[in-house]
Amino acid sequence: DTAVSQTPKYLVTQMGNDKSIKCEQNLGHDTMYWYKQDSKKFLKIMFSYNNKELIINETVPNRFSPKSPDKAHLNLHINSLELGDSAVYFCASSRTSGYQETQYFGPGTRLLVL
Amino acid sequence: TQLLEQSPQFLSIQEGENLTVYCNSSSVFSSLQWYRQEPGEGPVLLVTVVTGGEVKKLKRLTFQFGDARKDSSLHITAAQPGDTGLYLCAATSGTYKYIFGTGTRLKVLA
Repeated sequence: DTAVSQTPKYLVTQMGNDKSIKCEQNLGHDTMYWYKQDSKKFLKIMFSYNNKELIINETVPNRFSPKSPDKAHLNLHINSLELGDSAVYFCASSRTSGYQETQYFGPGTRLLVL
Repeated sequence: TQLLEQSPQFLSIQEGENLTVYCNSSSVFSSLQWYRQEPGEGPVLLVTVVTGGEVKKLKRLTFQFGDARKDSSLHITAAQPGDTGLYLCAATSGTYKYIFGTGTRLKVLA
């Protein structure tokens, strides 16, 4: 059974479009995250939710809006997509938000903006 | 300026060789983690170190946290092709925020 799943795995779209990426975890974790990995493989945290509440919001354009309908889901909606948004987006979860907690990552969503 | 610098950036070695990857920073961290990421997949946690000077072993992998908790190293003994992947260090800074290193791409040739 997949612990952290993301859909879609691949997303190719035109500049200016709005798109959503979905994430679900079946581990019973309280904390979920969104990361962006660029073409140089640098991984940067974007958002973190704990019990459906936003606890980390890095310097991310407000075109990116996370939504957590329940503890098991954290979706990412992106408005007015730009070329620079092309990257791999990873969802992750952990039991709590403590610094020793193991994060489990999803398989990633490869976004290409044309 | 990256908070966590890894070196080397790329490493290609023959099966059976030993190697060391470094993760350096000027900041002190509460804990440091090492991940391995394979193509098309998300990072997978290998180890977490929290105490300055701590050494942890995972089969042929040895992880060390610097005494001042500013740096870490990953040593692989007798590398195998299955060790090929992207190795990432990550540390916590501030409240619940994970910062990832610049990454080391390792390729082990059979």
